[in-house]
Amino acid sequence: NAGVTQTPKFQVLKTGQSMTLQCAQDMNHNSMYWYRQDPGMGLRLIYYSASEGTTDKGEVPNGYNVSRLNKREFSLRLESAAPSQTSVYFCASSEARPYEQYFGPGTRLTVT
Amino acid sequence: GQQLNQSPQSMFIQEGEDVSMNCTSSSIFNTWLWYKQDPGEGPVLLIALYKAGELTSNGRLTAQFGITRKDSFLNISASIPSDVGIYFCAGQWKEAQKLVFGQGTRLTINP
Repeated sequence: NAGVTQTPKFQVLKTGQSMTLQCAQDMNHNSMYWYRQDPGMGLRLIYYSASEGTTDKGEVPNGYNVSRLNKREFSLRLESAAPSQTSVYFCASSEARPYEQYFGPGTRLTVT
Repeated sequence: GQQLNQSPQSMFIQEGEDVSMNCTSSSIFNTWLWYKQDPGEGPVLLIALYKAGELTSNGRLTAQFGITRKDSFLNISASIPSDVGIYFCAGQWKEAQKLVFGQGTRLTINP
């Protein structure tokens, strides 16, 4: 039982490049989330998927797209990376109730 | 949007001391959660609270759901070196399928 897994762990991109961050969970959770964490800013929600087939914007969605591929997998895509997207990205999953979210280990992204 | 104010932002204590931190909001929340993040890792759930006034313990950790539903508190008793990390509060309001997080409290323990 791996919980929430994320790939890659580290990535360096040049401005304008694109990439997809992958997330998978094996807890049979309905809801999945993408956050970014910047120093002193806590965790900010980018996008979430309350259930398979649905996605909604969070607090900071600009510059990102998501795909809920199936119940297990939720990917985050940067179409044209910018230095402002340098951050640590976390994926999480939960059941609809009781809203307890479980996090992956994170992807550390640097955009130069 | 919803905002949580977490304090203090950082704490420097001696091993063995007790720790208190809190989270407040101008909005009412239905659920409060407390997470800990170790360096280089994702946040790990410590305690979840679902009813106003609820007091829940997890080992040396105790958290409370404020009566007004606008705040929550976390206490750590007799701190040890492995308590070092960043502690986050998080709240869920109405029937939203998402959480809002505080900015975190960074705990440092002096040897």
